Amino acid sequence: EDKVVQSPLSLVVHEGDTVTLNCSYEVTNFRSLLWYKQEKKAPTFLFMLTSSGIEKKSGRLSSILDKKELFSILNITATQTGDSAVYLCAVWGNDMRFGAGTRLTVKP
Amino acid sequence: NAGVTQTPKFRILKIGQSMTLQCTQDMNHNYMYWYRQDPGMGLKLIYYSVGAGITDKGEVPNGYNVSRSTTEDFPLRLELAAPSQTSVYFCASSRPRNEQYFGPGTRLTVT
Repeated sequence: EDKVVQSPLSLVVHEGDTVTLNCSYEVTNFRSLLWYKQEKKAPTFLFMLTSSGIEKKSGRLSSILDKKELFSILNITATQTGDSAVYLCAVWGNDMRFGAGTRLTVKP
Repeated sequence: NAGVTQTPKFRILKIGQSMTLQCTQDMNHNYMYWYRQDPGMGLKLIYYSVGAGITDKGEVPNGYNVSRSTTEDFPLRLELAAPSQTSVYFCASSRPRNEQYFGPGTRLTVT
């Protein structure tokens, strides 16, 4: 059965810290991996990754995919309290599967 | 552009009642999706559609039905509501296998 596993499930850091969120997957017919940020409402899109080894970057956030080892990481540097959210990983295979998310709390 | 809109925002149903959650998008996306999100969990795909007249089951389709008669609309029907269907429901749309744009969600309680 297709599955997407995120770790850790929750994380508490202080402002300025760097965090790494993990997403591993086992899906049939992998096509792409996506990262979303969810605050109190609907998820908002961060990155889509389709190729191994190519880093996607947006400000303090970056992500990379390893299709051989079947995982992706999301890095956030110099964290701010506004980064507090649930970060969701999703994988397109035969359909769309989401992981359970990592709840990140950034303390001042 | 309004993006993806959902109605209602909140609803309380009694066990055994039925209802339709409405979803409309104005981005001319072919792909549309329905998800449910239980507290502290990720999103689970209920149904999706790759175009008008085409629908497919996702991971958790039991107890739900969908139709896609137009590109814009993708309603989700709950028949014989059960407490296990208490959840937040999100509709989303996208270009083929691309980033998804989500609606604001419908919070449904079945008692």
